[in-house]
Amino acid sequence: QSALTQPASVSGSPGQSITISCTGDNSDVGGYNYVSWYQQHPGKVPKLLIYDVTVRPSGVSNRFSASKSGDTASLTISGLQTEDEAEYFCSSYSVSGAVIFGGGTLVTVL
Amino acid sequence: QVQLQESGPGLVKPSETLSLTCTVSGDSLSEYFWYWLRQSPTKGLEYIAGMFYTGSTNSNPSLRSRVTTSVDTSNNHFSLNLKSVTAADTAVYYCARGVLVTLVPGASRQTYGFDVWGQGTTVAVSS
Repeated sequence: QSALTQPASVSGSPGQSITISCTGDNSDVGGYNYVSWYQQHPGKVPKLLIYDVTVRPSGVSNRFSASKSGDTASLTISGLQTEDEAEYFCSSYSVSGAVIFGGGTLVTVL
Repeated sequence: QVQLQESGPGLVKPSETLSLTCTVSGDSLSEYFWYWLRQSPTKGLEYIAGMFYTGSTNSNPSLRSRVTTSVDTSNNHFSLNLKSVTAADTAVYYCARGVLVTLVPGASRQTYGFDVWGQGTTVAVSS
């Protein structure tokens, strides 16, 4: 099972919107609606932002939204803020029965 | 408020068994699925295994032959054993709780999203 593919980095200015992609295949992202997204600041524990492709847990800002089309899932951060500077990971359930992760995307706020 | 705390040795010798325990406070083990994950600079985030209090487990195919897990509901903790470790198993190990969605009263499904994490414990494999 290969890791999901994410861009290494994405940047944007405060107030802008950015989108991070997460590409798999029909054995993971395309085959199941079990995509999650996490935010991780340096030295900190990953924080769940999205599960079941589009669902935000209670307490997560509505500036974070997500979607999926075919084998690619996407996370959009609207109204970019300096506190959003972090690494973002996607994950998906896979046909193997395990969860696989993307390699992570570093978001920089310019 | 639910909290998870990993415990175990920070250093394991090659070919030996890595043993970790996750103690859960503020929640009952019987109400959720529980997971082990790890993170390293070389492999990134990696799923190790997930388990239910009944003992039902599923593990990463790449680690399955070396992984055993257990759940102790009386002490509210769950454990991981990873045998025959090598330097490639050096990582920060996390335990985590899985988000469940209620389908009907008394029945729920996994989402494979992890909403509560332990602080992580660093394990180095070295002689």
